[in-house]
Amino acid sequence: QSVLTQAPSVSGAPGQRVTISCTGNSSNIGAGFGVHWYQQLPGTAPKLLIYGDNNRPSGVPDRFSGSKSGTSASLGITGLQADDEAHYYCQSYDSSLRAWVFGGGTELTVL
Amino acid sequence: QITLKESGPTLVKPTQTLTLTCTFSGFSLTTNGVGVGWIRQSPGKALEWLTIIYWDDDKRYRSSLKTRLTITKDTSKNQVVLIMTNMDPVDTGTYYCAHSLTTFTALRNAFDIWGQGTMVTVSS
Repeated sequence: QSVLTQAPSVSGAPGQRVTISCTGNSSNIGAGFGVHWYQQLPGTAPKLLIYGDNNRPSGVPDRFSGSKSGTSASLGITGLQADDEAHYYCQSYDSSLRAWVFGGGTELTVL
Repeated sequence: QITLKESGPTLVKPTQTLTLTCTFSGFSLTTNGVGVGWIRQSPGKALEWLTIIYWDDDKRYRSSLKTRLTITKDTSKNQVVLIMTNMDPVDTGTYYCAHSLTTFTALRNAFDIWGQGTMVTVSS
């Protein structure tokens, strides 16, 4: 049972937009701690995709965006491509647990 | 360019102690705000944070594993070592080390650069 809740799967057709949500509570996302998103392609290590709620590291396409409101955050992907198929994880810090916490991950399928 | 690489045994027996080494380059663990964390992933499961060590030797541990984990650093070798005692088959998975910052920027508490991971199987 992950501290941050994500839907197990989401799908979309090439070119479409999908949104992946991440729900926390008042000890993590709601406390103002930054939300970070990672993309894990099959058989590879996670890669930082979005940091500090809505910032993209150098090299990440602007098709990827992040937002946060209250105790939830979202990752948006526009112009879906086949190589976007991956697992996506949100992550934050929890002040009650004093721990770095991850979501359970969302598997994106491009139809 | 920051890189990290994990190394250690691929197979350990139940009750044994696991020692993993993270060797890094492109940054120093003596720089204010810099940290290295360990995160693991059981097969087909989500990421799970284990522990982190900072430039000032501050260490944090996952509460449920605190009695089994030790993290240390050797700044002269650019290495961070993870020790996990009393290994069990449920500890089977891929173990990653990753660079992190505690400075008050948008990157705070993120793991921005990851190693490739090392797979550890616990079996007799």
